[in-house]
Amino acid sequence: GAVVSQHPSRVICKSGTSVKIECRSLDFQATTMFWYRQFPKQSLMLMATSNEGSKATYEQGVEKDKFLINHASLTLSTLTVTSAHPEDSSFYICSAKTSQETQYFGPGTRLLVL
Amino acid sequence: LAKTTQPISMDSYEGQEVNITCSHNNIATNDYITWYQQFPSQGPRFIIQGYKTKVTNEVASLFIPADRKSSTLSLPRVSLSDTAVYYCLVGDAYNTDKLIFGTGTRLQVFP
Repeated sequence: GAVVSQHPSRVICKSGTSVKIECRSLDFQATTMFWYRQFPKQSLMLMATSNEGSKATYEQGVEKDKFLINHASLTLSTLTVTSAHPEDSSFYICSAKTSQETQYFGPGTRLLVL
Repeated sequence: LAKTTQPISMDSYEGQEVNITCSHNNIATNDYITWYQQFPSQGPRFIIQGYKTKVTNEVASLFIPADRKSSTLSLPRVSLSDTAVYYCLVGDAYNTDKLIFGTGTRLQVFP
């Protein structure tokens, strides 16, 4: 299957700082990328959908000014958690797909806000 | 988007066949059925995808009845390493459609 990477794999930051997470499709061009968040013992929750070169579409209840998404190329999308707080601590997972394939997921990024 | 219903958890022993059934009564004509496996602190891993009848790959089989209102993931001869959460998702996989994750089925394999 297709390979999707995320960087960093884990990050610890102080409350009030911003954190950027990268998602890359390594062996294919992703027309669409998705960002999910997963809390312990819970399922994945879709945060937003991003298409290359256009603004992301956020799910209800997800603050677009807090979770900035940039999809500048067909192989890279970034999620920036601005002014992070302890309640933003979670496991963030991206996925990527082309128009004729299913979604392939990255390995996830563990964020801990102190 | 079609909602899916799966058992919350299942237990099995090594070497047994495990069948996990997913209900999706409101599946649309263009929807495909996709199963993912997730280990703790990892992203979901694609297992299998199908539209109707039976699909088989090196990892699993997917059985879909004619009305497509349910599907069954079959894992032959499970091992301890198959202990994971299995998610059934329904969506238009060949368009830019989002996938909504349900609760998944937590499979525990015992020695």
